[in-house]
Amino acid sequence: AQTVTQSQPEMSVQEAETVTLSCTYDTSESDYYLFWYKQPPSRQMILVIRQEAYKQQNATENRFSVNFQKAAKSFSLKISDSQLGDAAMYFCAYRSYWGGAQKLVFGQGTRLTINP
Amino acid sequence: DVKVTQSSRYLVKRTGEKVFLECVQDMDHENMFWYRQDPGLGLRLIYFSYDVKMKEKGDIPEGYSVSREKKERFSLILESASTNQTSMYLCASSLSRTGKGDEKLFFGSGTQLSVL
Repeated sequence: AQTVTQSQPEMSVQEAETVTLSCTYDTSESDYYLFWYKQPPSRQMILVIRQEAYKQQNATENRFSVNFQKAAKSFSLKISDSQLGDAAMYFCAYRSYWGGAQKLVFGQGTRLTINP
Repeated sequence: DVKVTQSSRYLVKRTGEKVFLECVQDMDHENMFWYRQDPGLGLRLIYFSYDVKMKEKGDIPEGYSVSREKKERFSLILESASTNQTSMYLCASSLSRTGKGDEKLFFGSGTQLSVL
């Protein structure tokens, strides 16, 4: 079974600075997808970024980028130029390549605080 | 955009009560999921369904059942609520049971259930 681990329960960063959230996972599959989700106080889960394991190039979405290390099974999220609106719970998640009805496996979450 | 609606944002029930949590999606999605979110544990899958009247156990099905009589509606049932079922419950849906793993999951805004 796949597992996802986020070892940082809480992180904080100064506004406009850069912060990196860590995630490791375990799987025996060769192709899969990895995701970062954001959950603000509204509780609405928002997809931040996704990465297909088959692709070596790291995904980027504006100020959000990932450092995907397949051999190390590591998938960290870097947030540049942090903004107050980035404050939220962040979840790392895994899904098999042929997801279909298969589940997303989530990590424990990291609560990110932005200091003005 | 797809909307996933959970019937209650907050719910307070007494131990031993039968509790129904309702989830409705409006985009003809095949897959629907119920997750439970607890601090430090992330999101854990309770049950999912990939078709009407079909259901599959997730990681923590004990004490729960589900019903999917219509494609758009997926109900989570707590047969006899207990205090250890106090939690946030999130419903999600995705389009196709045969879709790839990068297919987007759409989440509801969650129901915070307190069992006293």
